[in-house]
Parts: sequence; C-alpha cells; structure tokens
Amino acid sequence: QVQLEESGPGLVRPSETLSLTCTISGGSISNYCWNWIRQPPGKALEWIGFVYYSGTTNYNPSLKSRVTISVDRSRNRFSLNLSSVSAADTAVYYCARGWEDSSGYAFDYWGQGTLVTVS
Amino acid sequence: SYELTQPPSVSVSPGQTARIACSADALSKQHAYWFQQKPGRAPVLVMSKDTERPSGIPERFSGSSSGPTVTLTISGVQAEDEADYYCQSTDSSGSYPVFGGGTKLTVL
Repeated sequence: QVQLEESGPGLVRPSETLSLTCTISGGSISNYCWNWIRQPPGKALEWIGFVYYSGTTNYNPSLKSRVTISVDRSRNRFSLNLSSVSAADTAVYYCARGWEDSSGYAFDYWGQGTLVTVS
Repeated sequence: SYELTQPPSVSVSPGQTARIACSADALSKQHAYWFQQKPGRAPVLVMSKDTERPSGIPERFSGSSSGPTVTLTISGVQAEDEADYYCQSTDSSGSYPVFGGGTKLTVL
C-alpha cells in the first residue's frame, strides 16, 4: 500500500519561500508523476505541479513563475518550493501520486495534507 | 483559464438518488475522475475514467458521460455519503490537470 506523508513548516512569513517535502513509502517512485495540490480554507482543490522520477516537471501556468518541484530518488521523496508567498497561499497542501495516459492526467494516492499559514 | 463547472450544492434525502454533473467542452475527449472529500480529510478517488469504480468503493456509486458532461450518480444515498465531491480532468490542450469547483452533497 502506497503511503505519502507531507512535512515542513506550518507557518511562513510573507514574501518568503514555502518549502515542503513528501516522503513516499510502500511503492516505487518510478513510472508515476508526483504532484502537489493545495486547498485554501473553504475553497476548491488547485493543482500546483508535478515531477517525474526523471526530474521532468510540469507546473500550473498560474503559479509557474514561483514554483519549483524536485525529486530526491535516493530518499524516495519529492519537494515543493513556492517563492514570494502571500496570505493567498495559505492552504492545506497535499502531495499525491499521479499518472498520464492517452486521455489525460489522474491521481490515486494522497497524503493526509499539511496546513501552511502565511502570516 | 480552463474550467470544469459543477453545481455548488446538491441535496437529497436518505435512500434517494443524487446526481452531480461536471461540464466542460474537452470532457467529450478527456476522461474525468471524481473525488469525495469529507471535512478535515484528504480526497478519496470514487470514480475513475468516467465510469470505472475503484476497488473498495460501494456499488451505489456510478459514473456516466455524455458529450461535454460527466455525471456522478449515488443511488440509495446514505448519511455517510455527505461530503464535498470534486471532478478532475485535463485542460483542453491536454497539458495539465484541473479540478472542478466542488459540489457539497447534503443528506437531509
């Protein structure tokens, strides 16, 4: 059973960089894309971006200028950096396993989520 | 930006059928996925590729697709089905994933 666990600071100052890590257990990091998805309080889910095992990335166009996602294959984990944060970036941040096929992208396993407050 | 349109809320009585629609032009050629999210919990996949029910999801959950609209149907709704439901697909160019705005299902 694949398990994902987010970790990182729960409080970030405005204009600084939000950094989170997702540790993968119970499954291989290869053959999937590894995603960050966020949910502001009381609002909808928003896809942030993903990284493949190879290091190839894809980002939400609305966040692309501020986002970096990287993979650490030796430690079976991947990370999110979101720069120049503001109160609008306050959200629960989830990591999730995903894949791409001929009809698009999808997700199956998710972490439990971690609340990051910008203040 | 590309959007998936869902009704903000749906209400049904226990035992009735709930239908939650999700619409976007590209859904006629892209698959959709449905997630159930209960308060304080991570989303759970309840429908895959428009109509495929993942292992462990009750048979009362079903999915359908017609042109630009996909529908999640919950037959014989139970109190435990009360949750937010999100559809997810891919933008019209097939470049990145997108989520709908979510539908709050209330069991009266």
